[in-house]
Amino acid sequence: QKEVEQDPGPLSVPEGAIVSLNCTYSNSAFQYFMWYRQYSRKGPELLMYTYSSGNKEDGRFTAQVDKSSKYISLFIRDSQPSDSATYLCAMSAHSGNTPLVFGKGTRLSVIA
Amino acid sequence: EPEVTQTPSHQVTQMGQEVILRCVPISNHLYFYWYRQILGQKVEFLVSFYNNEISEKSEIFDDQFSVERPDGSNFTLKIRSTKLEDSAMYFCASGEGPSSYEQYFGPGTRLTVT
Repeated sequence: QKEVEQDPGPLSVPEGAIVSLNCTYSNSAFQYFMWYRQYSRKGPELLMYTYSSGNKEDGRFTAQVDKSSKYISLFIRDSQPSDSATYLCAMSAHSGNTPLVFGKGTRLSVIA
Repeated sequence: EPEVTQTPSHQVTQMGQEVILRCVPISNHLYFYWYRQILGQKVEFLVSFYNNEISEKSEIFDDQFSVERPDGSNFTLKIRSTKLEDSAMYFCASGEGPSSYEQYFGPGTRLTVT
């Protein structure tokens, strides 16, 4: 079983839709979770980061973690064409100096 | 807003040649990382670096790879004898300190080995 699984998409939604992006993981030691946005041939841009289970909101973005199900989500409200990108989940077991384990990314297109 | 910078943005090299990829991490960060992303694949961890030494490395980071922090600002990745399969985007990242866990990535260097 792969450590972090993420549906690669592509996911296509109309402008204004609510987008739900998800990752599952197998390593129960993971407790730090991040979402990155990556435009084509660019570096991952940190969007949200959360510790352990629960919700975190930042503007149109909400990150959810359910450690009991080993499932994390990123919701984008009122999606815009500028949200079109690949969204990567990443996670680690420790804070500080620790490698991140990434999902493969979900490619999102928001159509005007 | 402080950011991680990387040079060059694109490097083309012939198989067997040495390349050095350069990064300037965010200035007050303590932890430095190299990751790579082969086209269409996951971002993969290569190596982490703290206090002037390697903290952790993946199985990808074999003897052909080395890292260095030659001065107070630069962080470099050297590939001694490039192979075709080293063609990828290489990302540098930095992290603030022991109580933080988020990592900030640079724009990447696209390495093409011919």
